[in-house]
Amino acid sequence: EIVLTQSPGTLSLSPGERATLSCRASRSTVYLAWYQQKPGQAPRLLIYGASSRATGIPDRFSGSGSGTDFTLTISRLEPEDFAVYYCQQYGSSPSTFGQGTKVEIK
Amino acid sequence: EVQLVQSGADVKKPGESLKISCQGSEYSFSTYWIGWVRQMPGKGLEWMGIIYPGDSDTRYSPSFQGQVTISADKSFRTAYLQWSSLKASDTAIYYCARGINEFSLEGAFDIWGQGTLVTVSS
Repeated sequence: EIVLTQSPGTLSLSPGERATLSCRASRSTVYLAWYQQKPGQAPRLLIYGASSRATGIPDRFSGSGSGTDFTLTISRLEPEDFAVYYCQQYGSSPSTFGQGTKVEIK
Repeated sequence: EVQLVQSGADVKKPGESLKISCQGSEYSFSTYWIGWVRQMPGKGLEWMGIIYPGDSDTRYSPSFQGQVTISADKSFRTAYLQWSSLKASDTAIYYCARGINEFSLEGAFDIWGQGTLVTVSS
């Protein structure tokens, strides 16, 4: 199965700053998604197909990358963006998730 | 509104059986894959398996094959996750989620249930 490694484990930033999250796959994948999860809530889909924003997702969220290296960028952090972010590959069975990156307030 | 509504929290003893549910509404339930995701306390997301309610085609992660059974009843618009003999290590929140692409196995999960907390303790 494809192993996804997210970095960093924790990102400490201030509101208004730019956040750059990385997801590296152990083998090349075509299909990659990003999710946001806040405490006590279900995950929410942000990005699918590596770079397509899901319905209702603000344009400060963007995804990029291909092959084995993918990035989620939050251009300017809003207070509601502090959460845990997961990547998922769904092009190879079984689908797998990364271990998550926590974006916390500095 | 498209949504998935899961059954409520449950507390069981080791060795007991359990079946939790996930009911879809306001979309064509039979033609979208439904996946199950585990989240152990304080941990990340784990993909368990996925089912196509139209014909009950089911795929499992090797980590969960033989440990759980995924099923669906399209007439009730409901997917299920069941255990025949629970262990303390099955304590977790279990989410169901819908694949984004109608008919297609390859898809991110765009709609999520609220989660079902399963606690296994003697």
